[in-house]
Amino acid sequence: AQRVTQPEKLLSVFKGAPVELKCNYSYSGSPELFWYVQYSRQRLQLLLRHISRESIKGFTADLNKGETSFHLKKPFAQEEDSAMYYCALSGGTNAGKSTFGDGTTLTVKP
Amino acid sequence: GAVVSQHPSWVICKSGTSVKIECRSLDFQATTMFWYRQFPKQSLMLMATSNEGSKATYEQGVEKDKFLINHASLTLSTLTVTSAHPEDSSFYICSARGLSRNYNSPLHFGNGTRLTVT
Repeated sequence: AQRVTQPEKLLSVFKGAPVELKCNYSYSGSPELFWYVQYSRQRLQLLLRHISRESIKGFTADLNKGETSFHLKKPFAQEEDSAMYYCALSGGTNAGKSTFGDGTTLTVKP
Repeated sequence: GAVVSQHPSWVICKSGTSVKIECRSLDFQATTMFWYRQFPKQSLMLMATSNEGSKATYEQGVEKDKFLINHASLTLSTLTVTSAHPEDSSFYICSARGLSRNYNSPLHFGNGTRLTVT
């Protein structure tokens, strides 16, 4: 069975500090990993996907198959980064469905 | 970009009545849409997968007679909460896969519907 674990429900950092939102997954095969973000009073939207290998809004995430992790990182957090972040996995065993982690609420304090 | 429109944004209904929620893909065709329930400060719980032209696939524990899903066209899926009860009060969200229809392409989400059953 595929599973996504986000161990931190809440994460609080000061503006300008580095931030890392953890995501671990279990999946037998080659997964595709995503980070989705939900800002206050807005819909869920894609932040980035591992296959793109790009930086969005200063965030990056590297798929580490050895550690089965896909942590989201940003070197200098901004107040506008405060949001709910979900890690998600898509894969062949549940083709078409995505499995979501429980989400991490990030608060960036001034 | 791919846009998913969900309507209504919020609805209040009396216990025992039925409520229909619409999910439309505005600028792309979606053979598959997904319906979720989101509890406060919690993750998305997948309720069912809506397949155009065929029956929806429900997740374990989700009553198919309670949550009726219809996906009659490539751009519209509807979720009807039948004989609603206060415990059905929740935030319902739909999503659809993007243009490539690849199983692993990103999801595009509706804005959600806040259902309150009194």
